[in-house]
Amino acid sequence: KQEVTQIPAALSVPEGENLVLNCSFTDSAIYNLQWFRQDPGKGLTSLLLIQSSQREQTSGRLNASLDKSSGRSTLYIAASQPGDSATYLCAVLKTSYDKVIFGPGTSLSVIP
Amino acid sequence: GAGVSQSPRYKVAKRGQDVALRCDPISGHVSLFWYQQALGQGPEFLTYFQNEAQLDKSGLPSDRFFAERPEGSVSTLKIQRTQQEDSAVYLCASSSVMLDEGIYSNQPQHFGDGTRLSIL
Repeated sequence: KQEVTQIPAALSVPEGENLVLNCSFTDSAIYNLQWFRQDPGKGLTSLLLIQSSQREQTSGRLNASLDKSSGRSTLYIAASQPGDSATYLCAVLKTSYDKVIFGPGTSLSVIP
Repeated sequence: GAGVSQSPRYKVAKRGQDVALRCDPISGHVSLFWYQQALGQGPEFLTYFQNEAQLDKSGLPSDRFFAERPEGSVSTLKIQRTQQEDSAVYLCASSSVMLDEGIYSNQPQHFGDGTRLSIL
């Protein structure tokens, strides 16, 4: 059974710092991996999606990498801003026939 | 609005009561998903509709949970004889992707803001 974990559970950084969020999954046979953002009391917003054949995806200050063999993905946020404060969740899809499995999330606080 | 709308935003019920949660997906979206999100956890899949057909209900935790989408648009998640462990945020998501049988790649999904259910 696929299990997804995220470390750390919470992170607080000063504004302007670069940071890395980690996601691990137990079954390396995945179809894709996605990073979401969730603001308090809100639904999820998709940030980046990496197909199993890809190594990384970039969008603005965000860069997500994928290492299937080790069962890991990282989300790199450059020059963090207070507006980046939110919970970040990763989610994996085993095959195109499976349901998405979410990690528990990392709660990020960027201090002005 | 143009997004996924869920109501009510907050629901408090006594243990044993029945509740109904509503989801208005984006107009024209054929796929609709329900998720349950416990405090401090990621969402967990409950059920999936393609138009009015409920193609997957394997995530529903018990027979007290029931979902419907009779006209292929608005969906209702009903929980009967609520218990304290039902307390969670219930998220609805919709997608314009026409999913073939068994395909859950479901990109992109648009999420509502959820209903926070508290059972006393």
